Amino acid sequence: AQRVTQPEKLLSVFKGAPVELKCNYSYSGSPELFWYVQYSRQRLQLLLRHISRESIKGFTADLNKGETSFHLKKPFAQEEDSAMYYCALKGAQKLVFGQGTRLTINP
Amino acid sequence: ETGVTQTPRHLVMGMTNKKSLKCEQHLGHNAMYWYKQSAKKPLELMFVYSLEERVENNSVPSRFSPECPNSSHLFLHLHTLQPEDSALYLCASSHSRGVATGELFFGEGSRLTVL
Repeated sequence: AQRVTQPEKLLSVFKGAPVELKCNYSYSGSPELFWYVQYSRQRLQLLLRHISRESIKGFTADLNKGETSFHLKKPFAQEEDSAMYYCALKGAQKLVFGQGTRLTINP
Repeated sequence: ETGVTQTPRHLVMGMTNKKSLKCEQHLGHNAMYWYKQSAKKPLELMFVYSLEERVENNSVPSRFSPECPNSSHLFLHLHTLQPEDSALYLCASSHSRGVATGELFFGEGSRLTVL
């Protein structure tokens, strides 16, 4: 079975502080992990994928197979990062999303 | 228009009504999805169509009936819904599931309220 867990429903940090949104997964096969973001009044969209190993809007995420984690990180948070973030796992059959974490960046 | 378009954006219906949600994509994709987004379970996969064939029905009650007449259009027919079905229904599309990159393109959603 595929499962994605985001332990924090809400996360609040101050502008300029580091951010880490946690994601853990459960999957018996070779996983592909993604982060999606939904800004206020905008549609859900892909932020980054682990196979690209890229930094998008200052965010990075590293797949740790030993810990079955794919945490999203940014060294210095900005107010425009406030949004809902979803971790997603693509297995053989479908894309499964976590419960989401609402990130609020305080000025 | 490009992207994924959903209509109506808002819908209020009684429990005995029959209504339909429509989704249209202009991205050349051949897989389409319905997700339910609510406060209790933020993103629940409901149905997946690939090449106009339903390939996933995620234990959705029969009062929700999907229809995919072609690769660009997807409908969700609603009948005798319950108040707990009130939610945001999101449509998404992607390239064929078999070679999907995991990147789904979402519509803005149809906000459904069942009275």
